[in-house]
Amino acid sequence: GAGVSQSPSNKVTEKGKDVELRCDPISGHTALYWYRQSLGQGLEFLIYFQGNSAPDKSGLPSDRFSAERTGGSVSTLTIQRTQQEDSAVYLCASSLYPDTQYFGPGTRLTVL
Amino acid sequence: TQLLEQSPQFLSIQEGENLTVYCNSSSVFSSLQWYRQEPGEGPVLLVTVVTGGEVKKLKRLTFQFGDARKDSSLHITAAQPGDTGLYLCAGPNSGNTPLVFGKGTRLSVIA
Repeated sequence: GAGVSQSPSNKVTEKGKDVELRCDPISGHTALYWYRQSLGQGLEFLIYFQGNSAPDKSGLPSDRFSAERTGGSVSTLTIQRTQQEDSAVYLCASSLYPDTQYFGPGTRLTVL
Repeated sequence: TQLLEQSPQFLSIQEGENLTVYCNSSSVFSSLQWYRQEPGEGPVLLVTVVTGGEVKKLKRLTFQFGDARKDSSLHITAAQPGDTGLYLCAGPNSGNTPLVFGKGTRLSVIA
């Protein structure tokens, strides 16, 4: 079956603009995770959704970051008023919690 | 938050050589996972170790979990160019967040 997909694969934006990143998880996976990977850094946890429970937002770096998951499937990560330090690869993963996480290819965000 | 430190950060070796990379923490983990990430792709799970002292083999890759469950190592025998990539270790955080990752070891195997 299809794996986790993310779009766009690359996004270049200007400082101050808002961006939306999309994640399509593997069908049937109840858990969905967002991570950020900056150059030379490991994966930084941002947020995760598990079933119908309230999302764990403890990793979001600021209130400019938000995410939602509609219908227990597709998720959108929104970054408002982007800053240059937001430039990174944003990775999404899904799992049959707490089983193995399957990662998408990521969205490379560049803020000019 | 529990931290995982990986070493070395970078490693460049010739095809056919052996190598070991390390993942260390001051905290005890119930399990540790190793992932490999290639350019433009997300990490792919290689193995999960759950028992102190456990050794798992995946072809030319040997993974070991420390007796105290605070560290792990990955040994590659006769490295090949296809082994090139970023190797990440990860483990469940003591808090509610799903996984904490190390910064990884970037391996380059030169033919």
